Amino acid sequence: AQSVTQLGSHVSVSEGALVLLRCNYSSSVPPYLFWYVQYPNQGLQLLLKYTSAATLVKGINGFEAEFKKSETSFHLTKPSAHMSDAAEYFCAVAAGTYKYIFGTGTRLKVLA
Amino acid sequence: SAVISQKPSRDICQRGTSLTIQCQVDSQVTMMFWYRQQPGQSLTLIATANQGSEATYESGFVIDKFPISRPNLTFSTLTVSNMSPEDSSIYLCSVERGGYGYTFGSGTRLTVV
Repeated sequence: AQSVTQLGSHVSVSEGALVLLRCNYSSSVPPYLFWYVQYPNQGLQLLLKYTSAATLVKGINGFEAEFKKSETSFHLTKPSAHMSDAAEYFCAVAAGTYKYIFGTGTRLKVLA
Repeated sequence: SAVISQKPSRDICQRGTSLTIQCQVDSQVTMMFWYRQQPGQSLTLIATANQGSEATYESGFVIDKFPISRPNLTFSTLTVSNMSPEDSSIYLCSVERGGYGYTFGSGTRLTVV
């Protein structure tokens, strides 16, 4: 069965610092993996997705994630945090056709 | 990607009443999905709605509590019936295209008092 674990329910970084949000997955088949962002009072927006092509995936707003099979990880990074990055981030794995399993989310706070 | 309009964006309802949430997509889609996001928690799939057939419910969700309609390829509704405070959540409509990620509506924030 597929699952994802997000380490750290809250992460704080200073503006301009590296953002690193952790996601580990479990999957019995080659996974499709996703990162979503949820800004306050909004729905979820797709940041990026891994679908078994390049292991380094670039998304919107300067975010990227690297698929590491040996570590079963798909961590989200951004070189320099911006105040507008403050939001909740969800990692997800496809668990069969059309069904996704979402992680519990990481709330990112950016300090001025 | 698809554009999804969901309404109402928020509502405060009395316990024992029902609320119907509408979801409109700007293009035809085969499958639409309804998710629940309880306070401080992740997303849980409620059901999958196909046009012209009964919705498929996930474990823990039943049609009597969450009836779904799918009258055409661009529209769906979710009703939260006989509400209790435990139903206070964000309800999200979404569509998915070929395994490449969901597009979500902006959600309905429901508070039951």
